[in-house]
Amino acid sequence: QKEVEQNSGPLSVPEGAIASLNCTYSDRVSQSFFWYRQYSGKSPELIMSIYSNGDKEDGRFTAQLNKASQYVSLLIRDSQPSDSATYLCAVPPSWAGGTSYGKLTFGQGTILTVHP
Amino acid sequence: KAGVTQTPRYLIKTRGQQVTLSCSPISGHRSVSWYQQTPGQGLQFLFEYFSETQRNKGNFPGRFSGRQFSNSRSEMNVSTLELGDSALYLCASSEDQETQYFGPGTRLLVL
Repeated sequence: QKEVEQNSGPLSVPEGAIASLNCTYSDRVSQSFFWYRQYSGKSPELIMSIYSNGDKEDGRFTAQLNKASQYVSLLIRDSQPSDSATYLCAVPPSWAGGTSYGKLTFGQGTILTVHP
Repeated sequence: KAGVTQTPRYLIKTRGQQVTLSCSPISGHRSVSWYQQTPGQGLQFLFEYFSETQRNKGNFPGRFSGRQFSNSRSEMNVSTLELGDSALYLCASSEDQETQYFGPGTRLLVL
């Protein structure tokens, strides 16, 4: 099993709809989770972080975390064409001594297209 | 605060050459991580530096190396370039050793 898996996509939604992006992870002790957005040809941009079970809302974005199911999702409400990008889920490893520093493990990304 | 900066932004090299990439982290951030991004492999961790010390290294050959200076700026070097080294090289800085902010990247093309 891969450490971080995302729904394969690509995902296409109409403008104004809710886009749902999902991510599962294998490390049971992971405490924090990150969602990055990457536009074509650009670098990843941090858009959400979540540390506790439940929902975290930031504008049109909601991150949902379920540690028991090892599942984190990102909902984008009122999707806009400008949301079209690749969304990356990232997990820092559990603190296992010197092997953990500075390494985020990324999913393969989900390409989202919002069409007018 | 200014964001993470990387230079150069684009680079074309030929096989066998070497290359040095530079990264300046966000002011106050002492941790710098480097990643390689390719269409086939996604984002892969290269190494991480903190206070001039490499604390972690990914599964890359010894041709890939790096260092960090006392002002937290970091460089990575790739020697004896291969075609497969063509990629987007990203550096990310962190203050809390978890939340990482990426620079714009250096796009390297090896011919």
